[in-house]
Amino acid sequence: AQKVTQTQTSISVMEKTTVTMDCVYETRDSSYFLFWYKQTASGEIVFLIRQDSYKKENATEGHYSLNFQKPKSSIGLIITATQIEDSAVYFCAMRANTGANTGKLTFGHGTILRVHP
Amino acid sequence: EAAVTQSPRSKVAVTGGKVTLSCHQTNNHDYMYWYRQDTGHGLRLIHYSYVADSTEKGDIPDGYKASRPSQENFSLILELASLSQTAVYFCASSPTVYAEQFFGPGTRLTVL
Repeated sequence: AQKVTQTQTSISVMEKTTVTMDCVYETRDSSYFLFWYKQTASGEIVFLIRQDSYKKENATEGHYSLNFQKPKSSIGLIITATQIEDSAVYFCAMRANTGANTGKLTFGHGTILRVHP
Repeated sequence: EAAVTQSPRSKVAVTGGKVTLSCHQTNNHDYMYWYRQDTGHGLRLIHYSYVADSTEKGDIPDGYKASRPSQENFSLILELASLSQTAVYFCASSPTVYAEQFFGPGTRLTVL
């Protein structure tokens, strides 16, 4: 069974600083895909960034980057130069490479990020 | 830009009643999904579909049916709504099984 765990319930940071959100996962698959999503206060869920397990380089997208540590089954999200509008709930999700016709994502419970001025 | 819409955006239903939640996407995506989100939790997959006229069970299908009459439309049906089905429901689509999913705005369902 797959499992995604986000141990940080909430994080508070000052604007313009860097924050890292943790995520660890469990899977028996050798190939898998990891995603980070953001849920805003309005409830909107937005895709941020992904990491494919076979890629050694950490993914980056704007002021988001990932710290992928495969031996530790860990995929941290790093947000640099945080802005007030980064305040949201951040979800880590995993899709294993089993079942040819499913894109099933397994989600963590989320980390609340609060960015203060 | 990806476009997934859901209707209604909120609904109050009575226990034992029938509820239909609708999802429409203009992305030309083959894959569509229904998730539920409970307060303070991540999303859990209810049903999904990879082609019109075919649906598959997700992790928590009990009490739910799904219908995919066309590539663009995917419905979630609660034949006999129960209190435990009070939640926010999200529809999503993706172009391939490997790609990221694009989510709709959600439907807040309250069963009384």
